[in-house]
Amino acid sequence: GDSVTQMEGPVTLSEEAFLTINCTYTATGYPSLFWYVQYPGEGLQLLLKATKADDKGSNKGFEATYRKETTSFHLEKGSVQVSDSAVYFCALIDGGATNKLIFGTGTLLAVQP
Amino acid sequence: KAGVTQTPRYLIKTRGQQVTLSCSPISGHRSVSWYQQTPGQGLQFLFEYFSETQRNKGNFPGRFSGRQFSNSRSEMNVSTLELGDSALYLCASSTLTSKDEQFFGPGTRLTVL
Repeated sequence: GDSVTQMEGPVTLSEEAFLTINCTYTATGYPSLFWYVQYPGEGLQLLLKATKADDKGSNKGFEATYRKETTSFHLEKGSVQVSDSAVYFCALIDGGATNKLIFGTGTLLAVQP
Repeated sequence: KAGVTQTPRYLIKTRGQQVTLSCSPISGHRSVSWYQQTPGQGLQFLFEYFSETQRNKGNFPGRFSGRQFSNSRSEMNVSTLELGDSALYLCASSTLTSKDEQFFGPGTRLTVL
């Protein structure tokens, strides 16, 4: 079945460091890919998305490129801030008549001042 | 525009009891999905409703059920609660297509004693 694998956390960085969180997927069709962020005590917020191969999603300085050849959707940010501390989830929807999101396990990011 | 609301925010129940959680989607959204979030299993899809019809169902026992009303509000019910049902239950709403953003509510934290 479809699945998402993302790097284990926690990831601890100093402010202004470069961030990469790896995400790879397995899907039978042509999925849409998403990154969601969850701040403490809150629900999930969509951070960015890409719906076809070679698309780049971007938002708030975060970027991820849909790589079909490597089945990857790695999240990057050039300079993290303390306010970026949260749990990040990679997810996919495998098309068709469904809104079912399949999530990775989540990566906790802690940014220290 | 009001976001997705979930009630109650916190619940404490004992084993064997049943519980009903409510979700009010964003105005105009007709698709509502439910997810269970636990530290051990992560985010798992429960079910999705669109126009009062269940479109998709996750791999949960029959004790978990849901429904959607004509105003798109949705409820989920868990009967005969078990300790392992303790989790954060998240509701998400969206328009129709799987490529649209899904908006998550803050969740209901259920504790089973």
